[in-house]
Amino acid sequence: AQSVAQPEDQVNVAEGNPLTVKCTYSVSGNPYLFWYVQYPNRGLQFLLKYITGDNLVKGSYGFEAEFNKSQTSFHLKKPSALVSDSALYFCAVRDRDSGAGSYQLTFGKGTKLSVIP
Amino acid sequence: DTGVSQNPRHKITKRGQNVTFRCDPISEHNRLYWYRQTLGQGPEFLTYFQNEAQLEKSRLLSDRFSAERPKGSFSTLEIQRTEQGDSAMYLCASSPKEQGEYTDTQYFGPGTRLTVL
Repeated sequence: AQSVAQPEDQVNVAEGNPLTVKCTYSVSGNPYLFWYVQYPNRGLQFLLKYITGDNLVKGSYGFEAEFNKSQTSFHLKKPSALVSDSALYFCAVRDRDSGAGSYQLTFGKGTKLSVIP
Repeated sequence: DTGVSQNPRHKITKRGQNVTFRCDPISEHNRLYWYRQTLGQGPEFLTYFQNEAQLEKSRLLSDRFSAERPKGSFSTLEIQRTEQGDSAMYLCASSPKEQGEYTDTQYFGPGTRLTVL
């Protein structure tokens, strides 16, 4: 079984400050990890993914995430937050060793990011 | 617009009625996925297709739910005898091959919001 935990329902940060949105995961094998962002009344937009290789992954809009296997974490970060970053952020995982060709993503419950001007 | 499109965007129905949603994936995306998202939760996987073949179904997909992708292009999701618990956002996503290999990056449509009265 695979699962994702986003321990914070909401994160508030001042504009210009660094932001972190936390994610931990659980899989039996090795993970594929993803971050998506959801704006009101819009679908999920892909931000970045970790497949293999470098633990620091860079994505869209200046976001990056660091894969930490020992802590089973994949926290989303940005050095300087913008008001326009305010949205709902979802972490997702797939166990690439699940066998049986399962391609379903398991999502966390989401973290609402509010960037305060 | 070359993104994933879904129709209708909103559907209000009475309990017991049947409803059908349509998803048009990004052109040439071989894989198509359906998810359900309820308020305050992340998307939950329902099913996915590779071309016209339905390869995986979640246990969430009760026998009242059926999905098709007859020509490997657009897909439909039908819910028969709707119940109030079916009220949710139904999301469709598609994913391409990259360099000849299937990729896990899923691109989401805006969703169809179903309200069952």
